[in-house]
Amino acid sequence: DQQVKQNSPSLSVQEGRISILNCDYTNSMFDYFLWYKKYPAEGPTFLISISSIKDKNEDGRFTVFLNKSAKHLSLHIVPSQPGDSAVYFCAASEGSGATNKLIFGTGTLLAVQP
Amino acid sequence: DVKVTQSSRYLVKRTGEKVFLECVQDMDHENMFWYRQDPGLGLRLIYFSYDVKMKEKGDIPEGYSVSREKKERFSLILESASTNQTSMYLCATRRNTEAFFGQGTRLTVV
Repeated sequence: DQQVKQNSPSLSVQEGRISILNCDYTNSMFDYFLWYKKYPAEGPTFLISISSIKDKNEDGRFTVFLNKSAKHLSLHIVPSQPGDSAVYFCAASEGSGATNKLIFGTGTLLAVQP
Repeated sequence: DVKVTQSSRYLVKRTGEKVFLECVQDMDHENMFWYRQDPGLGLRLIYFSYDVKMKEKGDIPEGYSVSREKKERFSLILESASTNQTSMYLCATRRNTEAFFGQGTRLTVV
């Protein structure tokens, strides 16, 4: 049973436009959410996170929005750049401690066209 | 910077072989994890360890075992490799919730 879902396997956007990647979860006990970016043949790298006490967190071109009632989060990239082309994984955890399991989504492949 | 190093980038093994995937971290973190990544399935947790000589099963432990003899090293063992274990294997360590990954090992079992 997939607790964290990314329903769009791929997304293509033009350079300079906004990229919106979506993630849904089913476990209402999740209270910490992260986004990771992964290039081919490399390990995932941390991008941005949000805790359930917030509904928005921003870091440069990246903003994550959390809608707890809908159990939905999204990652906005503005403006999109060709170097953003990668697979993006969302992840969720019950609590922020290192002993809590991180559950990952299936990933969305973002292609930013020059 | 946290560094997580996996011993091999690419491996090709035969069905039935015993396979060792090694992971070393340099940040003195207690928690280490092994995931596999498959298209359409995301990252799935195989095993994890919170301390030396400790191990816990993740979501897909069948066909795998692990060893944690030293804090910095976490090994994933495929007891008898099978073709359905062809995958990208990722080792990670954790600081609070943030996970730091190695570069991955692409394992092909033929």
